[in-house]
Amino acid sequence: DAKTTQPPSMDCAEGRAANLPCNHSTISGNEYVYWYRQIHSQGPQYIIHGLKNNETNEMASLIITEDRKSSTLILPHATLRDTAVYYCIARDSWGKLQFGAGTQVVVTP
Amino acid sequence: GAVVSQHPSWVICKSGTSVKIECRSLDFQATTMFWYRQFPKQSLMLMATSNEGSKATYEQGVEKDKFLINHASLTLSTLTVTSAHPEDSSFYICSARAGNTIYFGEGSWLTVV
Repeated sequence: DAKTTQPPSMDCAEGRAANLPCNHSTISGNEYVYWYRQIHSQGPQYIIHGLKNNETNEMASLIITEDRKSSTLILPHATLRDTAVYYCIARDSWGKLQFGAGTQVVVTP
Repeated sequence: GAVVSQHPSWVICKSGTSVKIECRSLDFQATTMFWYRQFPKQSLMLMATSNEGSKATYEQGVEKDKFLINHASLTLSTLTVTSAHPEDSSFYICSARAGNTIYFGEGSWLTVV
């Protein structure tokens, strides 16, 4: 499985865009990049996933570099409820998601 | 999105007893489900992959005889913690695969006293 690297923490002002980086330099051609977030004491919430192309849904946008070695999750207008630990994961061919330490995002008023 | 439900949400059991946690996919069929464990202030650790109709595959270091997994139908997987001890107290979370998306349950808190 490709290992992902994320900054341990990030602050973001409410109403501003939050850009969360993730490095996955060893990702293989058939591994998807997934993003989840976990609010304290809850199960992880699916945000978005992608393979090569940029993706957008009602929650966020995922920008994947052309060489696929890194990606950025964009929360367009952060709210206080977006405070959570965000996980970037490269999913292997078996479908297993191996979680790293993630990024603790704190949205401040 | 698809919903994965766990039951119970929290359970307290006595040391030496066994406890069963259920994971259900409510609006889709899941041939593959996954079980995780999370200790306070740590990330999720994958324990095993549950495959409908076949034996579960366990991650290295996870005792298969202690954490029994049964995936008897396309919508239900169960995790039984046998002979539970206080060190098994943790947050147990399941996930189920719906196509290319994997959804997680709400988690189950286990406290062994």
